[in-house]
Amino acid sequence: SAVISQKPSRDICQRGTSLTIQCQVDSQVTMMFWYRQQPGQSLTLIATANQGSEATYESGFVIDKFPISRPNLTFSTLTVSNMSPEDSSIYLCSVNGGEHYGYTFGSGTRLTVV
Amino acid sequence: KNEVEQSPQNLTAQEGEFITINCSYSVGISALHWLQQHPGGGIVSLFMLSSGKKKHGRLIATINIQEKHSSLHITASHPRDSAVYICAVKETRNYQLIWGAGTKLIIKP
Repeated sequence: SAVISQKPSRDICQRGTSLTIQCQVDSQVTMMFWYRQQPGQSLTLIATANQGSEATYESGFVIDKFPISRPNLTFSTLTVSNMSPEDSSIYLCSVNGGEHYGYTFGSGTRLTVV
Repeated sequence: KNEVEQSPQNLTAQEGEFITINCSYSVGISALHWLQQHPGGGIVSLFMLSSGKKKHGRLIATINIQEKHSSLHITASHPRDSAVYICAVKETRNYQLIWGAGTKLIIKP
């Protein structure tokens, strides 16, 4: 199955600043998924990133707040912009490894906004 | 009513006990996933099921498509099994996963 390297693993940021999270996959994948997990909650899909096209955002998430880049089939970034304490969450990227392998997840980025 | 429901929400057991976590869903699915999330946040995929039963080490996952129900069993539980276990289903007509709320498991030595 695919292996994902996600970084940073954690960060503490000042409100009003931005943080970019990177995910590198060791194989080419069509779709990459970005999730947010707020404290004590399950995962919520932010957007789906396809190479060569705009990301598709879920209800409640907008590109200005969470811009996504997908320059090639092995890499994607998610930026959390103009952060507030409410953005404190774990952010995870994921890819679908297909019929045999299911989904693979990055190790997560634990973001604290102060 | 959530489309994917897990029970129990929290489970504390003694080392060595047999553990069962349940997942029920209400939509048509092409696959069901069991995942494990450790306190650091990273998620590991344990099983992907579309029918029957799978076993990996001390972990066993079963699914009953007709009853729309799956169970995750842990035999001879160990404190290192302490984690949140999440059930997620891939809906037949959608590429997205629908997530259960997770079961927080604590195994005491």
